[in-house]
Amino acid sequence: KNEVEQSPQNLTAQEGEFITINCSYSVGISALHWLQQHPGGGIVSLFMLSSGKKKHGRLIATINIQEKHSSLHITASHPRDSAVYICAVIPYQGAQKLVFGQGTRLTINP
Amino acid sequence: GAGVSQSPSNKVTEKGKDVELRCDPISGHTALYWYRQSLGQGLEFLIYFQGNSAPDKSGLPSDRFSAERTGGSVSTLTIQRTQQEDSAVYLCASSRPPGQGFQETQYFGPGTRLLVL
Repeated sequence: KNEVEQSPQNLTAQEGEFITINCSYSVGISALHWLQQHPGGGIVSLFMLSSGKKKHGRLIATINIQEKHSSLHITASHPRDSAVYICAVIPYQGAQKLVFGQGTRLTINP
Repeated sequence: GAGVSQSPSNKVTEKGKDVELRCDPISGHTALYWYRQSLGQGLEFLIYFQGNSAPDKSGLPSDRFSAERTGGSVSTLTIQRTQQEDSAVYLCASSRPPGQGFQETQYFGPGTRLLVL
């Protein structure tokens, strides 16, 4: 079993829909990242959080440390949001390496 | 300002050859990470450098892989005697030094796409 599990693996929605991507992890962590990767493009860090909730534009990320769970929400989704969204954690062991989920491929149709 | 840069952007090599991949981190970022993204495997950690500390090499998949960071800035990832399973996108990221009890955002380069024939 992977230390970081995302769901769903693939998600197709219509423009304007509210999107939720979930991430569960099995280890103690010091921080969690949500990353975005466009086709053929590089990786951009959207959020880094260790507690509570963060918001940036139409994107909202939440984390529940006790339940080892995080969600990424997109409000009023747009075709340009189509990308792979990756959850990654930094485990407590003291190393700084990211441990990645498998990613969620999001497609927003006009 | 300039982001993380990597070169080459694409590399095609023959099985058994050695390759060198280069990463230029953001100026002032003392932490540097190498990751690999293989088709169907997702992203995986390879190696981490922080300042003058000994690197964390725990993610290197075999002794054919090595990396160095000269002068605390540019890093080179070397793969010796390449195999077809080494084909992947190799990503570099950098950050400000993580502190006690807090982490720093990692900024990713565009990656080097390696194809071993």
